[in-house]
Amino acid sequence: DVKVTQSSRYLVKRTGEKVFLECVQDMDHENMFWYRQDPGLGLRLIYFSYDVKMKEKGDIPEGYSVSREKKERFSLILESASTNQTSMYLCASSSGGAGWDTEAFFGQGTRLTVV
Amino acid sequence: GDSVTQMEGPVTLSEEAFLTINCTYTATGYPSLFWYVQYPGEGLQLLLKATKADDKGSNKGFEATYRKETTSFHLEKGSVQVSDSAVYFCALSDRGTGFQKLVFGTGTRLLVSP
Repeated sequence: DVKVTQSSRYLVKRTGEKVFLECVQDMDHENMFWYRQDPGLGLRLIYFSYDVKMKEKGDIPEGYSVSREKKERFSLILESASTNQTSMYLCASSSGGAGWDTEAFFGQGTRLTVV
Repeated sequence: GDSVTQMEGPVTLSEEAFLTINCTYTATGYPSLFWYVQYPGEGLQLLLKATKADDKGSNKGFEATYRKETTSFHLEKGSVQVSDSAVYFCALSDRGTGFQKLVFGTGTRLLVSP
């Protein structure tokens, strides 16, 4: 069974903290993605990666960075957490560097609250 | 840029009713179209997809037809069940970008009562 695993289901952090969200996939996928999900806004792409050490900005990268040192792991970093980053964060992966119609597999999400 | 517009929810139906969730899109290229479903407490999973005009995607009794002339990809099911209660997301992936970059709609919550 294919799996995308996010390290935490729920996180509570303080304003100004550096926050790491971890995602691991076991499908040997090239592409990995970080989205945030907010009511009324759907899913918005933060960053994606199509290969190890490669990254591309999505639609809302401000305040975030990412790291992909190994193919199976894609980390999202909030450099200095702020209350407007309180959200549900979803990691996803898919095969193929240019496979625009391939299925994306999602993790269960991390609900982050910044207080 | 590319965008997806879905009808607002929640959509509230009784069991065995007919379901339609509208989805229209705007894309600069020739996109592939998807419906993803999110059950309570879970991540998204692919429900169905269509990659070219007039294609019909189908799965678990759900269907959607890629209509290029109306830029639409409406989701339908003839008889819904309580277990279909979930949030449904329409999405597109535009091959013109060179990479798979899914653009999602805002999601439509479906509530089915017995």
